[in-house]
Amino acid sequence: QSELTQPPSTSGTPGQRVILSCFGGSSNIGGHTVNWYRQLPGAAPKLLIYENFQRPPGVPDRFTGSKSGTSASLAISGLRPDDEADYYCSVWDDNLNGWMFGGGTKLTVL
Amino acid sequence: QVQLVQSGAELKNPGASVRVSCKACGYTFIDFGMTWVRQAPGQGPEWMGWTSTSDDDKNYVEKFRGRVTMTADRSTSTVYMELRSLQYDDTATYFCAVDHGTKGFDIWGQGTMITVSS
Repeated sequence: QSELTQPPSTSGTPGQRVILSCFGGSSNIGGHTVNWYRQLPGAAPKLLIYENFQRPPGVPDRFTGSKSGTSASLAISGLRPDDEADYYCSVWDDNLNGWMFGGGTKLTVL
Repeated sequence: QVQLVQSGAELKNPGASVRVSCKACGYTFIDFGMTWVRQAPGQGPEWMGWTSTSDDDKNYVEKFRGRVTMTADRSTSTVYMELRSLQYDDTATYFCAVDHGTKGFDIWGQGTMITVSS
């Protein structure tokens, strides 16, 4: 399956923990590590998680990545209003011979 | 300060070509390759390809092969992305980003909006 599927939207309240999912296949998530990006309206994506669970400098430990089989997850704890954004998973795909992005999940903080 | 500065927005007719520049500042240019990602309005990002900044190695996604050329000018620390035979569905914001392979794209340009319209 050469595509990455993300739920189009999810929501949470301040302080809550939410989990964003990313579903792929053997040619991508099943064989490679996953990166996560966050994008605010009108801005470039920002790297949030790399290699499944690693956080770049400056990314708080409220953001936790994980992978199991052909799916990956991004957990955000202690939800804040400024976490409201679009979140994309990304992974190398052997069939594409390139990087794929999921369709994105829009997170709304109620 | 590590940053990528891209050229400005452009309006192009169908069939035309466009060249977007991406100037790297604040780090050793040849240490990392550059990736290009585009994003159509309301859509998710789409990876277009990658160019080495230290040699002539490149990798274009098949969809754009034959229509895109990515080059690196080491004398000015600038990467260029040329897209030819533009169509309406090429209307998008085009981003360059420093490519760390499995460690992701950590520095992004501000984006260049390309509009294809007659």
